[in-house]
Amino acid sequence: SQELEQSPQSLIVQEGKNLTINCTSSKTLYGLYWYKQKYGEGLIFLMMLQKGGEEKSHEKITAKLDEKKQQSSLHITASQPSHAGIYLCGADINFGNEKLTFGTGTRLTIIP
Amino acid sequence: DAGITQSPRHKVTETGTPVTLRCHQTENHRYMYWYRQDPGHGLRLIHYSYGVKDTDKGEVSDGYSVSRSKTEDFLLTLESATSSQTSVYFCAISPRGAANGDTQYFGPGTRLTVL
Repeated sequence: SQELEQSPQSLIVQEGKNLTINCTSSKTLYGLYWYKQKYGEGLIFLMMLQKGGEEKSHEKITAKLDEKKQQSSLHITASQPSHAGIYLCGADINFGNEKLTFGTGTRLTIIP
Repeated sequence: DAGITQSPRHKVTETGTPVTLRCHQTENHRYMYWYRQDPGHGLRLIHYSYGVKDTDKGEVSDGYSVSRSKTEDFLLTLESATSSQTSVYFCAISPRGAANGDTQYFGPGTRLTVL
């Protein structure tokens, strides 16, 4: 089983709608990273969260880390075609470790 | 975007042959990483380097070796490629490493097929 679970695995959303992607762990998330990947390309860094309750936003994307630091959510407001891709969360679940653990990704499709 | 390049971008090779993938950075970051990405497994760390000649194993290091003789270059070698090593390989760099709360920035990837 994955130590970092992402849900849903795939998501089809109509353009203009809001959506949320979750990243959940049974262990404490000491550093949580969100990336976006387009097919056949590398990972683009979106945001990093470290403190319980922390929230960061960039353009129409907001990421939160819950108080217990075991779940993070990525929320997109008023989705656009440019938001389509695979969203990956990665985390340090062993404290102070270079060996990050990644989820398997959420594939987001935006339809007109 | 961080200055990271990977070469080659695509490679097809035969079982049993040696393969070397190169990661080159222009950011002078101390940490460099090699990951593989496979369906159903996500990204998994193979090896990482925390300085010139300083490396450590990751989650899936068997069958792989690495070398870092210069700050800017991190090489991943498959001594004798197997079909199970068919994957997309990503290099990443970080100024001071994840343990210090620094972000990892990824390269464009190398698609390797072992026949």
